[in-house]
Amino acid sequence: EVQLLESGGDLVQPGGSLRLSCAASGFTFGIYTMAWVRQAPGMGLEWVSAINLGGRTFYADSVQGRFIISKDSSDNTLYLQMNSLRAEDTAVYYCAKEGGHTLPFDSWGQGTLVTVSS
Amino acid sequence: EIWLTQSPATLSLSPGDRATLSCRASQSVSSFLAWYQQKPGQAPRLLIYGASNRATGIPARFSGSGSGTDFTLTISSLEPEDYALYYCQERFTGWTFGQGTKVEVK
Repeated sequence: EVQLLESGGDLVQPGGSLRLSCAASGFTFGIYTMAWVRQAPGMGLEWVSAINLGGRTFYADSVQGRFIISKDSSDNTLYLQMNSLRAEDTAVYYCAKEGGHTLPFDSWGQGTLVTVSS
Repeated sequence: EIWLTQSPATLSLSPGDRATLSCRASQSVSSFLAWYQQKPGQAPRLLIYGASNRATGIPARFSGSGSGTDFTLTISSLEPEDYALYYCQERFTGWTFGQGTKVEVK
């Protein structure tokens, strides 16, 4: 059974940094594209970043240059380093697994809440 | 960048009704279109991929159709557990989501 468990969400001041983690199990982590998707309070889903099996990274314009996605295939963990945080980054952040090349997200974590406020 | 526009924003229907949700892309996404269901406090769940293929475990009352720029998610007969938010997503050029359609009880 695929399991994705996010952690690291917290209250952080504007301009601060935070690192999210997603512990994956139940599948061969290294061969799937993994991603972060966020949802601001009362709002829709927004794709944030993705990393493919070769380690190529992709970012939404809203986080380009501030967020860094990475993965450690030796311990099946996905990361999101978030820098220069803004109030508009406040959201639940979900870790998601693609079902295969160009397939959508077939597994999601339960989410971790990031609040950016002074 | 591809934009996805979902309509209507809210659909008010009774149990047993047929629900028809629309997703329109700003340019062709071929058949690389997925639908998700999200209930309050829960992560999204994949319903449909490749525009018309049901994901594992999804009931037959859910169906998807369309290609290019116009797509439809149909729920043939609403069950109480189907009242939720529904999002479309393209996987042709990236991972863009539509803004969602809420299916609520009439």
